Amino acid sequence: KQEVTQIPAALSVPEGENLVLNCSFTDSAIYNLQWFRQDPGKGLTSLLLIQSSQREQTSGRLNASLDKSSGRSTLYIAASQPGDSATYLCAVKAAGNKLTFGGGTRVLVKP
Amino acid sequence: SAVISQKPSRDICQRGTSLTIQCQVDSQVTMMFWYRQQPGQSLTLIATANQGSEATYESGFVIDKFPISRPNLTFSTLTVSNMSPEDSSIYLCSVAAGTTGNEQFFGPGTRLTVL
Repeated sequence: KQEVTQIPAALSVPEGENLVLNCSFTDSAIYNLQWFRQDPGKGLTSLLLIQSSQREQTSGRLNASLDKSSGRSTLYIAASQPGDSATYLCAVKAAGNKLTFGGGTRVLVKP
Repeated sequence: SAVISQKPSRDICQRGTSLTIQCQVDSQVTMMFWYRQQPGQSLTLIATANQGSEATYESGFVIDKFPISRPNLTFSTLTVSNMSPEDSSIYLCSVAAGTTGNEQFFGPGTRLTVL
């Protein structure tokens, strides 16, 4: 059974510092890995999708890497801003289009 | 991408009653997914809904408690039946779409409180 872990569970940084969020998964037989952002009480916003054949994806200040063999992904957010404060979730997709989510990392960027 | 809307956005219900949540997508999709997010927790898949067939439920979720309809390729409903306070959660509708067809998109969620 796939298990997804996110460390740390919470992170507080001053504005301008780079953020590093980690995601690990136990079964490397995945189709893709997706990073989401969730604001309190809201739905999920897709940030980056990495296919199993890719090693990284970039969008603006966001960069996500994937090492499928070791079961790890890292989300980097450069030059953090208070507006980046949210919970970040990673999810892996396996057979049947099923997503398995990590527990999330709650990020606070202090002005 | 896919744009998903859900109704209602939130509701407060009494124990023992039922609530039906609607999900509308702006494009035709084969599969629609229903997730639950309990307070302070991550998301758990309830069931997968295909048009024209019975929904497929995950372990721990049953049709009598969470009946699902999928009348066409852009719409689905999830009913939470005989509610108890433990059903208080955010319920989210999701589809796989995008250029690859396997990027997951989520609706804004329905925040349910059961008293």
